[in-house]
Amino acid sequence: AQTVTQSQPEMSVQEAETVTLSCTYDTSESDYYLFWYKQPPSRQMILVIRQEAYKQQNATENRFSVNFQKAAKSFSLKISDSQLGDAAMYFCAYASNYQLIWGAGTKLIIKP
Amino acid sequence: KAGVTQTPRYLIKTRGQQVTLSCSPISGHRSVSWYQQTPGQGLQFLFEYFSETQRNKGNFPGRFSGRQFSNSRSEMNVSTLELGDSALYLCASSLTAGLANYGYTFGSGTRLTVV
Repeated sequence: AQTVTQSQPEMSVQEAETVTLSCTYDTSESDYYLFWYKQPPSRQMILVIRQEAYKQQNATENRFSVNFQKAAKSFSLKISDSQLGDAAMYFCAYASNYQLIWGAGTKLIIKP
Repeated sequence: KAGVTQTPRYLIKTRGQQVTLSCSPISGHRSVSWYQQTPGQGLQFLFEYFSETQRNKGNFPGRFSGRQFSNSRSEMNVSTLELGDSALYLCASSLTAGLANYGYTFGSGTRLTVV
């Protein structure tokens, strides 16, 4: 069975600086999809970035980028130029056919 | 276009009662998935509905059930509520079934508190 681990329950960063959130996963599949979702206090889960395992190139969405290390089964999220609106819970997720397998989440605090 | 709408946003129920939560997907989306979010267990898959049929089910007891209507709106029902059912219930919609690979669009959830 697939598992997703986020070892950082909480992270803080100064506004405008860069922060990296860690995620590791375990799977025996060779082709799969990984995600980072953001959950602000509004509770809605918002898709931040998606990575296809067979693609070597790391996904990027504006200030958000990932460092995908397939052999190490690592999938970290880098947020550049952090903004107050980035404060939220961040969840790493693995797509297993019809469902998402989730990590426990990392609470990101932005210091003004 | 309108997003995923979940009602109600908050609900307080007594142990032993039953509850029904509603989810209206994005217009044109025909698949609805439900997830339970608790501090202890995190996010867990409940079930997925497509074309009024349950396509997949997570590891939850039979007290948790759902259905989907012809307009793609979905309801989930929890009978004989237990304190441990207190959670945020999130609904996610997608164009068709089995599209977890492409990422869902989520609603803002229903916060259920069982007392």
